This record gives sequence, C-alpha cells and structure tokens, in this order.
Amino acid sequence: GENVEQHPSTLSVQEGDSAVIKCTYSDSASNYFPWYKQELGKGPQLIIDIRSNVGEKKDQRIAVTLNKTAKHFSLHITETQPEDSAVYFCAARGDSTLTFGKGTMLLVSP
Amino acid sequence: EAGVTQFPSHSVIEKGQTVTLRCDPISGHDNLYWYRRVMGKEIKFLLHFVKESKQDESGMPNNRFLAERTGGTYSTLKVQPAELEDSGVYFCASSPWTGAGYGYTFGSGTRLTVV
Repeated sequence: GENVEQHPSTLSVQEGDSAVIKCTYSDSASNYFPWYKQELGKGPQLIIDIRSNVGEKKDQRIAVTLNKTAKHFSLHITETQPEDSAVYFCAARGDSTLTFGKGTMLLVSP
Repeated sequence: EAGVTQFPSHSVIEKGQTVTLRCDPISGHDNLYWYRRVMGKEIKFLLHFVKESKQDESGMPNNRFLAERTGGTYSTLKVQPAELEDSGVYFCASSPWTGAGYGYTFGSGTRLTVV
C-alpha cells in the first residue's frame, strides 16, 4: 500500500518568515495530493491540493509543488502569521482512500 | 451547507466497556470514511462506505470494531470491548465522489480515551 513520509515533525518560525513542509510517497500510481490544516479542537481542513498532471499550484500565501519523478511534494507558506500555527498533514491518494503523513506542528511566533 | 458532524466530541470509558461513535456526513455525500489518529502518529484509514455498502474495510484493526451505515445516511462505529490501545481521535469524512482526485470534508472528531 501507499506510504507517506512527512518532515519535519515540528517547525518554529518567526512571523513573516517562510515555512516549508516536505512529503514523499511510495506508490507511483498516486495522482492526488491534498494538504490539510488542523487547528486545536477541529478536524483537518483542506487548504490546497494538487493533481499529478500539475507541477505547482499557488493560492495567495500558500503553494504546493510536486515532483512525480522523485515522488515528493512540498507545502510552502510565505509571510507566515500567528494564525498559521496548526498541525499540517500531507496526503496521497491513488484509488479511493487517502494515506496521510504523520503531521507537522507549525508554530509561528509574533 | 452543514458540515460533517460527529458526536460525542469526547468520550472517556473504562477498558472492557462499549462505545458508539456517530457521524453525520454532508447531505448527499455517498462516500463516508472513518479515520483514526493515535497520539503523534499519522491519520490512519479505517473504513470506506459508498452509500450503505462497505467499499473498503481493510483498515479496521480487529473484530472489536463494527461500523454501520444503515440507509446510507449517518454512520456509527462501535468498539466492543474497548482496549487501552483504542484511545485516539476518530475522524469521519465525507465526499460526493468516489474516484481519485478529490479531497474529503472532515468532521471535528471524537476523542476517545480508554482508561
């Protein structure tokens, strides 16, 4: 089955800095890669996704890149703000179910 | 539209007891998923329903877990008897489409603590 590795497990940045979270996947058949943000007491919320026929996607301060050859994808957050503090999960999906990474706790200090 | 609703939000039970978790998906979403996150680990897949049918239950840990979705609307996940290692946050998610290429909408989860 699919295996998703996510790094780092924790990431601390100063407000205004950029943050990068990286994931690798094992199943070359996976073709959909969403990123979820989970705030305290809430469920994971989809923030951005990318399909395998696209190399990069951007939505305001967040962007995702995908390298299918290397089987890795990354989340980039620019101009971080304290409200970006949360746990971020990457995931990969081939057929019908998502496989998640272990999550990255991002802490943005004012 | 209303989101995915789960209850209870928290449950503390003793080892050996029974607990039933409930999930109400977004109306009209045929696909319903159960996931679990144990402290510090990844969100692991448990089960996938398409309407009332179990499409994939390969993630169910053992026969102490029973999921149902009668009528293809809400779903329940029963743990009987509960063990200490069952503690974690149980998430439900729903999606209108089965095929790859689409994400899910998650509920807020049920935090289960078995003592």
